[in-house]
Amino acid sequence: DTAVSQTPKYLVTQMGNDKSIKCEQNLGHDTMYWYKQDSKKFLKIMFSYNNKELIINETVPNRFSPKSPDKAHLNLHINSLELGDSAVYFCASSHLGSQETQYFGPGTRLLVL
Amino acid sequence: SQQGEEDPQALSIQEGENATMNCSYKTSINNLQWYRQNSGRGLVHLILIRSNEREKHSGRLRVTLDTSKKSSSLLITASRAADTASYFCATDAKGSNYQLIWGAGTKLIIKP
Repeated sequence: DTAVSQTPKYLVTQMGNDKSIKCEQNLGHDTMYWYKQDSKKFLKIMFSYNNKELIINETVPNRFSPKSPDKAHLNLHINSLELGDSAVYFCASSHLGSQETQYFGPGTRLLVL
Repeated sequence: SQQGEEDPQALSIQEGENATMNCSYKTSINNLQWYRQNSGRGLVHLILIRSNEREKHSGRLRVTLDTSKKSSSLLITASRAADTASYFCATDAKGSNYQLIWGAGTKLIIKP
């Protein structure tokens, strides 16, 4: 019954490794997002996809590559992980539109050692 | 980029008291939303107020919007321990391609 799910919930890895985070939503939404929340709780949009097409791509290192195989999934692959990538990553989904509520997943806590 | 700024950064009150949080933003908006984040969880939508609205209620929540001052306030009445969380405002700035711009949040602690 989970509306927006992410896996894994926790990810501890060494610097330089490559890792992926998966996100799935069963709400029938056409738009999905990836956010990064740092230790000070700032929430920053990274990417947004609408119907599998990239519509928002903020200034994010190209080590981060989103992939949307279908409208219900948006995965995030991170190459060559760095210490500064440690954060909580949230996936969210919504219908496209300025008055639409975003539904968030539980977050993936990434710690790079 | 961060558009919203919540004030105060942290607020600690006794259960039963009212809690007021403020949000200021910089550019013209279509609407403003408030979200709650419990510790270790994702954000949950609370309420949306459109730019042509001045006040909105939802249960114990009251939101006001003053577009001339580019500010909004969230009032939680008769606070409960379960209201302990961080509260974020998010604005849908005009011309932003539906992107929400988030504030830094107010951490609210309700003491029993």
